[in-house]
Amino acid sequence: RKEVEQDPGPFNVPEGATVAFNCTYSNSASQSFFWYRQDCRKEPKLLMSVYSSGNEDGRFTAQLNRASQYISLLIRDSKLSDSATYLCVVSRSARQLTFGSGTQLTVLP
Amino acid sequence: SQTIHQWPATLVQPVGSPLSLECTVEGTSNPNLYWYRQAAGRGLQLLFYSVGIGQISSEVPQNLSASRPQDRQFILSSKKLLLSDSGFYLCAGGGLGDTEAFFGQGTRLTVV
Repeated sequence: RKEVEQDPGPFNVPEGATVAFNCTYSNSASQSFFWYRQDCRKEPKLLMSVYSSGNEDGRFTAQLNRASQYISLLIRDSKLSDSATYLCVVSRSARQLTFGSGTQLTVLP
Repeated sequence: SQTIHQWPATLVQPVGSPLSLECTVEGTSNPNLYWYRQAAGRGLQLLFYSVGIGQISSEVPQNLSASRPQDRQFILSSKKLLLSDSGFYLCAGGGLGDTEAFFGQGTRLTVV
């Protein structure tokens, strides 16, 4: 079983739609969680950290469920510019980051 | 803030040739450093990570090696490239107590 698993998609949604991605992790000792965004042929960039209490940044909401070992990312009112691959990242106790394989999102006009 | 410098941006190498990709870090000391590879249309695969000078952990058996001769320098090497080594190579760093990762701009390697 992979340490971090994501639905690869692709998710094709119309502009203005709400879309949610989930990510599961297998190591219960994982300490920190992040969502990264990667545009085509570019390096990943941090989108947001995921806190235990859940956190929101504009149209983006991230949530963590430690009991079920998953994190989620909700994007409201999708924009064309949201089209990218979204990577779930989990930090293990050894300070090692593990990336999911990414979920591809295409927002259609 | 932390900055990762990685070069070259693009590289075309023949099969059997050697490889050396360099990554340097600014803005932090004693960073955790990582080499990832991303094949076309695929996710990030962790190749190596390092928590300090001379300390390298390999995640997958492969044709590549890594070295960390200085605190802020991380090198990815190969003695003889294979076609399957083609991909997008990313160096990343995460500072002590700060697990967020910063990425270099990546090297797109094509082995021909």
